[in-house]
Amino acid sequence: AQSVSQHNHHVILSEAASLELGCNYSYGGTVNLFWYVQYPGQHLQLLLKYFSGDPLVKGIKGFEAEFIKSKFSFNLRKPSVQWSDTAEYFCAVDTGRRALTFGSGTRLQVQP
Amino acid sequence: DAGVIQSPRHEVTEMGQEVTLRCKPISGHNSLFWYRQTMMRGLELLIYFNNNVPIDDSGMPEDRFSAKMPNASFSTLKIQPSEPRDSAVYFCASSGLLGAYEQYFGPGTRLTVT
Repeated sequence: AQSVSQHNHHVILSEAASLELGCNYSYGGTVNLFWYVQYPGQHLQLLLKYFSGDPLVKGIKGFEAEFIKSKFSFNLRKPSVQWSDTAEYFCAVDTGRRALTFGSGTRLQVQP
Repeated sequence: DAGVIQSPRHEVTEMGQEVTLRCKPISGHNSLFWYRQTMMRGLELLIYFNNNVPIDDSGMPEDRFSAKMPNASFSTLKIQPSEPRDSAVYFCASSGLLGAYEQYFGPGTRLTVT
């Protein structure tokens, strides 16, 4: 069965710092990859997705992610975080069965 | 578009009681998913439907859990009897047929079983 690993469980940054959250998956076939964000008390919202093509994908709110097939990774980045980026971030993988397998999430805390 | 609608938003019930969670997917979407979120286990897929038909229910914890989708605009997740370990946030999500079929999540139902 496929699995998704997010090694950073809790990240604390100051405003304007750069962000990179790791995501690795275990599945040898074709995958669709997603990053979702969950702001405190809210539901999950899609940040960005990768289906095919350019492995560097840009999402909303200045986020981007890079798919590196050889490393089975899909890391999320943002050059300069804001206090409003405080949230929990989930990486998810779809192996073609339409249902998502989520990572355990990374809680990001941005200090003003 | 109202997005995915879930009700109730909060449910507190006593152990042994029946609980029914409801979901209305986005109009035109043909796939519907039920997830459960807990601190210990994170986000887990319970079951998903495609064109109202259950496709994968391998995530349903046990027979106390059942889900139905009688039509394209409504689904229920029922727990009978409920237990304290069922306390969690239950999310419903839907996705469309064509193109980038990312899932759109509802606001969730926070269930507390005492």
